[in-house]
Amino acid sequence: AQKITQTQPGMFVQEKEAVTLDCTYDTSDPSYGLFWYKQPSSGEMIFLIYQGSYDQQNATEGRYSLNFQKARKSANLVISASQLGDSAMYFCAMREIGNGQNFVFGPGTRLSVLP
Amino acid sequence: DTGVSQDPRHKITKRGQNVTFRCDPISEHNRLYWYRQTLGQGPEFLTYFQNEAQLEKSRLLSDRFSAERPKGSFSTLEIQRTEQGDSAMYLCASSLPSRGEANYGYTFGSGTRLTVV
Repeated sequence: AQKITQTQPGMFVQEKEAVTLDCTYDTSDPSYGLFWYKQPSSGEMIFLIYQGSYDQQNATEGRYSLNFQKARKSANLVISASQLGDSAMYFCAMREIGNGQNFVFGPGTRLSVLP
Repeated sequence: DTGVSQDPRHKITKRGQNVTFRCDPISEHNRLYWYRQTLGQGPEFLTYFQNEAQLEKSRLLSDRFSAERPKGSFSTLEIQRTEQGDSAMYLCASSLPSRGEANYGYTFGSGTRLTVV
């Protein structure tokens, strides 16, 4: 079974608008972390934001916020005031504390910001 | 030390040849990970080291793949008798030891893109 699901292969957003990228996850581990990474065409994985399973508040980092709905097992990324430089692949990922040290990544969403 | 370095950035090789990639982690990170990312997919875990010990290997790591971290610093990933299906981006990452949390200073390199022709 897929542990991380990203149902949007591609998304378009107008510059300066907000956009939400969806992510749902599956785990039975009570302790886990959820991450969003940005991967531009250069290939590097750029860390954007982190949400711990016990965190009471939604994480925010500048223009990025994570809409964490634990009961629904969703961790959507919201990018406010989109910029042309936000065009990239975006990956949702999870680390389970009780299940080794590696990330499980979703298939990604390609975001294109239109001028 | 500005981050995780990977060399080469790009490698084109003929089917059947052996290739070796190198990863230099952040110096104070004792954990090092290898991932493979095929076109249009998210990265998939291959293996990880704590210091020089290889502690976990994915089933994706076939017998043709071997990874080493002989002195607990840099690591190499070798693929023997390459196949076209090995064409992918190979990402290295390093981290600090876990303190029981999921987020602990995990940094990716820029990857090595392998093309097998």
